[in-house]
Amino acid sequence: KAGVTQTPRYLIKTRGQQVTLSCSPISGHRSVSWYQQTPGQGLQFLFEYFSETQRNKGNFPGRFSGRQFSNSRSEMNVSTLELGDSALYLCASSPEPGTTYEQYFGPGTRLTVT
Amino acid sequence: AQTVTQSQPEMSVQEAETVTLSCTYDTSESDYYLFWYKQPPSRQMILVIRQEAYKQQNATENRFSVNFQKAAKSFSLKISDSQLGDAAMYFCAYRSWVSGTYKYIFGTGTRLKVLA
Repeated sequence: KAGVTQTPRYLIKTRGQQVTLSCSPISGHRSVSWYQQTPGQGLQFLFEYFSETQRNKGNFPGRFSGRQFSNSRSEMNVSTLELGDSALYLCASSPEPGTTYEQYFGPGTRLTVT
Repeated sequence: AQTVTQSQPEMSVQEAETVTLSCTYDTSESDYYLFWYKQPPSRQMILVIRQEAYKQQNATENRFSVNFQKAAKSFSLKISDSQLGDAAMYFCAYRSWVSGTYKYIFGTGTRLKVLA
C-alpha cells in the first residue's frame, strides 16, 4: 500500500497570504489528523477529520481550518499567515478514529512564512 | 489538562550500548494509550511501540521496550544494542477518549545521537 502523501513538500509564503495543504491518506483509512511541528513546541494537534466531519480540534485560532472529501483526502487551510506559522505540518491517517489505532504519518509540508 | 514531558532534549549513546529515554505525563484519566514515535532526519515519523494503560505488562518490540509506571505516570523507552539507524528524534505521545473527544498530546521530543 502507498503511504500517506502530502503536497506540496515545501512552501514559502509571505505574511498575510493564505495557504492550502493537501493530504492523501493510506487507502482504506478514513481518519485524518493534522499536526503542527515546531522546534520549541514539538507536535501540536490541530484537528481530526472522519467521514468528512471534524471530530476533534486542538487549541489553534480560527485562521486554521480544514476539510475532508468523500475519498478521505483532506486539506488544511491557513489564512492571514503570520511569521509564527512557519512550521512542519504533518498529516496522519488511521483506519478509524480511536486511541487503539496507530497513526501513519506523512512526510510533512515545510511552510516558511517571510 | 493532560501534559507530556520529555526532559531530555538530547541524548547520546555508543553503538551497541543501551539507552533510556524518559517521558512523564500528567492525567486524571484512567484509560489511555501511550506511544513512542521515531522521526529520523528528513524522514517520516513511525510508531516504535505502544502501551495500553490497563495492561500491567510492559510492551516490547525487538530491541525496544518500555518501563511503564502508571502510578508514577512514567513511560520510558529503552533501546538495547543501539544501532546507527536508531539516530532520530523520539516523541512520547498520549492519547485518550473522554466525553466523546479524543485527546492527542505529544512531548517536545528527545534527539538521540548514536556514536560509532
